[in-house]
Amino acid sequence: KQEVTQIPAALSVPEGENLVLNCSFTDSAIYNLQWFRQDPGKGLTSLLLIQSSQREQTSGRLNASLDKSSGRSTLYIAASQPGDSATYLCAVNPGGSNYKLTFGKGTLLTVNP
Amino acid sequence: ETGVTQTPRHLVMGMTNKKSLKCEQHLGHNAMYWYKQSAKKPLELMFVYSLEERVENNSVPSRFSPECPNSSHLFLHLHTLQPEDSALYLCASSLGSYNEQFFGPGTRLTVL
Repeated sequence: KQEVTQIPAALSVPEGENLVLNCSFTDSAIYNLQWFRQDPGKGLTSLLLIQSSQREQTSGRLNASLDKSSGRSTLYIAASQPGDSATYLCAVNPGGSNYKLTFGKGTLLTVNP
Repeated sequence: ETGVTQTPRHLVMGMTNKKSLKCEQHLGHNAMYWYKQSAKKPLELMFVYSLEERVENNSVPSRFSPECPNSSHLFLHLHTLQPEDSALYLCASSLGSYNEQFFGPGTRLTVL
């Protein structure tokens, strides 16, 4: 059974700092991994999707890396801003006929002005 | 309207009520999902529909009844719920099982 763990559970940083969020998964047989952002009481916004054959994906100040063999992904946020404050979730997708994404519990990020 | 929409955004109901949640996607996707998000727990997949056929039912109690009349609409019918069913219910859609899932804003459900 796939399990996804996100560390740390919460992180508080001053504005402008670069930071890394971690995601680990127990079963390396994944098709892709998706990073989401969730603001309080709201739905999820997809940030980056990284395929199992890829090492990294970039979008603006965000960079996601994937090491499938070791069951790890990181989300790097450069030059953090108060507007980046949210919960960040990672989810792994087994693909094929299995539609089930397995989510971590998320990392609550607070960026202080 | 664009993306994935959900109505209502907030719902308060008693344990004996019957209500329905609605989800609509405007992305041309062929798979739709219901998720439950409770405090301090990971998102839990409840149901998946692919091409209007249910392909996943994650041991959800029968007091939750999904309906997918076409590839753009998904409903979750609720009856005789329990207070522990209070949560944020999220709808999502995707193009097949391999691609990104896009989420709606959610319905915050409170069961009294």
